[in-house]
Amino acid sequence: EVQLVESGGGLVKPGSSLKLSCVASGFTFSSYGMHWIRQAPKKGLEWIALIYYDSSNKYYADSVKGRFTISRDNSKNTLYLEMNSLRSEDTAMYYCAKKLPFAYWGQGTLVTVSS
Amino acid sequence: DIVMTQTPSSQAVSAGEKVTMSCKSSQSLLYSENKKNYLAWYQQKPGQSPKLLISWASTRESGVPDRFIGSGSGTDFTLTISSVQAEDLAVYYCEQYYDTPYTFGAGTKLELK
Repeated sequence: EVQLVESGGGLVKPGSSLKLSCVASGFTFSSYGMHWIRQAPKKGLEWIALIYYDSSNKYYADSVKGRFTISRDNSKNTLYLEMNSLRSEDTAMYYCAKKLPFAYWGQGTLVTVSS
Repeated sequence: DIVMTQTPSSQAVSAGEKVTMSCKSSQSLLYSENKKNYLAWYQQKPGQSPKLLISWASTRESGVPDRFIGSGSGTDFTLTISSVQAEDLAVYYCEQYYDTPYTFGAGTKLELK
């Protein structure tokens, strides 16, 4: 059974940094591209980043480009999202997802950016 | 970026009713080489992660009831629920995976009449 478990969210101040993790199980992690998708409170879904199975390519939404970095460690079956220069508008539930379209989602980790 | 426009934003329904919702994309999602539409539909219930219902515009995922029907091609797509059940009350999102940035519609919320 595919499982994706995010962690690392929390309450942080504007301008600070945070690193999210997503631990995968139930499939060959190193064979799949992985994504981060977020959802602001009471809002819709926003795709924010993609990393290829071998980290050879990475793509970002304009809203996070230059501030967020997606990475992975295939030896640990773990996906990461490093978030810098956080803004109030980055407040959201952050989900990792596998496959296109997004057939598998984690339960999400909540990031709140507030002074 | 491909803009996804969903209508209506909300709809009040009664159990057993037939429901249709629309999703339009700002450019064609039909890839000429494989004749596939890169359009998916998701269902999200309160407090839950989204669930993939339909991929390739009309292919139902395993375990999804056959009352959920996806149709359309190019830029115009529809999700139909042939006979709404109480458990179908949720927000429905369409999403294009034709090109990055992958984009979602704003959602259609199904509420009880």
